[in-house]
Amino acid sequence: EAGVAQSPRYKIIEKRQSVAFWCNPISGHATLYWYQQILGQGPKLLIQFQNNGVVDDSQLPKDRFSAERLKGVDSTLKIQPAKLEDSAVYLCASSFDEANTEAFFGQGTRLTVV
Amino acid sequence: GNSVTQMEGPVTLSEEAFLTINCTYTATGYPSLFWYVQYPGEGLQLLLKATKADDKGSNKGFEATYRKETTSFHLEKGSVQVSDSAVYFCALRAGTASKLTFGTGTRLQVTL
Repeated sequence: EAGVAQSPRYKIIEKRQSVAFWCNPISGHATLYWYQQILGQGPKLLIQFQNNGVVDDSQLPKDRFSAERLKGVDSTLKIQPAKLEDSAVYLCASSFDEANTEAFFGQGTRLTVV
Repeated sequence: GNSVTQMEGPVTLSEEAFLTINCTYTATGYPSLFWYVQYPGEGLQLLLKATKADDKGSNKGFEATYRKETTSFHLEKGSVQVSDSAVYFCALRAGTASKLTFGTGTRLQVTL
């Protein structure tokens, strides 16, 4: 079974530039999560989708971050414009549904903002 | 709000030593508790979990017991191997929400 796919693996951009990350969850998984992991900290949820609807985006900085999952399958997370403090690993995870099911994580995208 | 506190690392042990990584939590209601592991260059993987008080999760020689009275979920292994070198994250899921709240992670390095 293929796992959660993320791209790119690494990205370096200058502050005020834009960047987008892509995630393809495990086939059949209805729930998709984006987490931000700043160096030395644990992952923090940015946004959760159930199919193509948003369940929780309370921690998403909406003035600069956006995410979509238009067809309820793959998802894109965008940052525009980026700040230095956005340097982090962005993790995508998926689970079969919202209930008590295991979340599977991708390898993440490491973003460096200079 | 919900939170998880883990012991700071790095933890350096010799092979076959006993491992304990402490984890305590604060949560409303009765959370489910998890340990995730992140090997170098890989994504987070679920190591073990416990969903109610006094449950013991176990996998690959690792164990953790859900202690409601001390709000703890300490990770233990009787004899670590070099291949156990990784970062370990304690996490919880509370109420009806499926999102995970993570601790800061503890890096384990096992040497020969």
